[in-house]
Amino acid sequence: DIQMTQSPSSLSTSVGDRVTITCQASQDINNFLNWYQQKPGKAPKLLIYEASNLETGVPSRFSGSGSGTDFTFTISSLQPEDIATYYCLQFDTLPPTFGRGTRLDFK
Amino acid sequence: QVQLQESGPGLVKPSETLSLTCTVSGGSITSHFWSWIRQTPGKGLEWIGYIYHTGSTKYNPSLESRVTISVDSSKNQFSLRLSSLTAADTAIYYCARTFSSAWPDYWGQGTLVTVSS
Repeated sequence: DIQMTQSPSSLSTSVGDRVTITCQASQDINNFLNWYQQKPGKAPKLLIYEASNLETGVPSRFSGSGSGTDFTFTISSLQPEDIATYYCLQFDTLPPTFGRGTRLDFK
Repeated sequence: QVQLQESGPGLVKPSETLSLTCTVSGGSITSHFWSWIRQTPGKGLEWIGYIYHTGSTKYNPSLESRVTISVDSSKNQFSLRLSSLTAADTAIYYCARTFSSAWPDYWGQGTLVTVSS
């Protein structure tokens, strides 16, 4: 299976901060990577698909970039409602595999 | 907008078989692939497998010997069976609409399944 190394595992933030999360794949996955947001007690929600495409209805402060093995997810200006855990998912090769998640909280 | 709802028992005994059903509303089950995914504190999010309305399936090799996913297009439902349960199968189980390349977009709310005697 392709291993997805996501970092950091947690991040203390403040409203207005620029937040950056990375995912590194154990092999080339082209741009076959998505980013999801999960709030406590809720299902994951798709934010970014195919590395850099913003899902319909998702605020433009969320963005993604990267290709090959290294990917970045950015929140340009953190809002209170963005406190959640974020996951990457590779779907280049079956089985699809997720990163371990990045949990955001307030300082 | 498509909605998915999981249903099934919340408590199952070790060595028994888990059966869960996902009911799809707001869209046809014939239009996409459909996945089961589970989440545990220890292993995080784990893809179990997916099915197309034709009955074609793909499973995670780590679970393939114990998993069956089936579809009932007449009811707009698909189902998961996982056999020979152990405590390690205790998890929140999600169903999700999925694209052919195996990535999910819409997810159900999830159902907690505990394996315990």
